[in-house]
Amino acid sequence: DAGVTQSPTHLIKTRGQQVTLRCSPKSGHDTVSWYQQALGQGPQFIFQYYEEEERQRGNFPDRFSGHQFPNYSSELNVNALLLGDSALYLCASSLGVAGTDTQYFGPGTRLTVL
Amino acid sequence: KNQVEQSPQSLIILEGKNCTLQCNYTVSPFSNLRWYKQDTGRGPVSLTIMTFSENTKSNGRYTATLDADTKQSSLHITASQLSDSASYICVVIFDRGSTLGRLYFGRGTQLTVWP
Repeated sequence: DAGVTQSPTHLIKTRGQQVTLRCSPKSGHDTVSWYQQALGQGPQFIFQYYEEEERQRGNFPDRFSGHQFPNYSSELNVNALLLGDSALYLCASSLGVAGTDTQYFGPGTRLTVL
Repeated sequence: KNQVEQSPQSLIILEGKNCTLQCNYTVSPFSNLRWYKQDTGRGPVSLTIMTFSENTKSNGRYTATLDADTKQSSLHITASQLSDSASYICVVIFDRGSTLGRLYFGRGTQLTVWP
């Protein structure tokens, strides 16, 4: 039973570039949430996808966008990268109601913007 | 404003000792509260999950308590081990009555266990 997987593990980009991060949820899960975690901080909620639609969104600019595919996998896209976008990006999956199901986190993608 | 505050920010203890981490929250209404352990550079792993009606939940050497009246939770670690060195994050789930909840994360307590 595969857990949550994310790719790539590490990524280095320069300011102004665009990046796409990928997430495959735990088998049987249909909801994917994305978080940004700066060094020494707790994760910050970016957005959540369910049934291929963005259902909730945190306080992140439109440069952050996403997509969920029919197989429940998801992508996070960030345009016009800024130095402040350097962080660990976490993907978490759950089944339906996030309030009662434990969210399983992936290992994260470490993004460095130079 | 919904917030989750954790204390202390960091903690150093000797192997074999006990410790207690605190979490205060203002998230309301909430459906449940969770404690996660996060090793450096890794994703968080769930330790305990409690609904608003539960007072305590144990998972091995980890025991979480919840006082919904004072909006406080604690995580007690007994007989600490070197592998307990990690960040411990308190997460409160905001219950909006919809099918999808919103998670509010604390900044975490960085625990270091010395031999």
